[in-house]
Amino acid sequence: EIVMTQSPATLSVSPGERATLSCRASQSVSSNLAWYQQKPGQAPRLLIYGASTRATGIPARFSGSGSGTEFTLTISSLQSEDFAVYYCQQYNNWPPLFGQGTKLEIK
Amino acid sequence: EVQLVESGGGLVQPGGSLRLSCAASGFTFSSYAMHWVRQAPGKGLEYVSAISSNGGSTYYANSVKGRFTISRDNSKNTLYLQMGSLRAEDMAVYYCASGTTGAFDIWGQGTMVTVSS
Repeated sequence: EIVMTQSPATLSVSPGERATLSCRASQSVSSNLAWYQQKPGQAPRLLIYGASTRATGIPARFSGSGSGTEFTLTISSLQSEDFAVYYCQQYNNWPPLFGQGTKLEIK
Repeated sequence: EVQLVESGGGLVQPGGSLRLSCAASGFTFSSYAMHWVRQAPGKGLEYVSAISSNGGSTYYANSVKGRFTISRDNSKNTLYLQMGSLRAEDMAVYYCASGTTGAFDIWGQGTMVTVSS
């Protein structure tokens, strides 16, 4: 199994500032990496797939980068609705496991 | 509208059984693999099980192997998860999910399973 490790566990950022979240795979997953956003009481929502392609309806302030084992999700200017938990997931190999999540909180 | 709707969750005693359902609409259900993902209270996402588009291949996490069975009825556009020998650690919100790109762009709203005496 490929282990996905996210950092930091919690990130405190002020509205309007940039947030950078990291995800590392225990072995190469090529570009088969997705990012999800989850708010309390809601199902996860796909933000990014293919490491850098925004899903339908996702604002341009969300961007993904990386390949192989190192990936980054950047939110360029945080809005109030962006404070949530973010998960990465690899789908290059079975099973398509998730990282443990990064909680993005208001500073 | 593309939609997944789970049902069947509830309160069950340790050692008991429960069957979850996931009804799909708005997309060609029979063309896509389907997945179950769970989330224990206050915890992260845990991948549970998957089934191929024709039902011929399945996958189970070690934590549920031998106790859970995934199946699908493509004529009814419905996914199932038969859960047996339930334990306290199985208590979670269970989501069904699917996607056209490999990632999961379709999620249900989740159904809560509570295991308690």
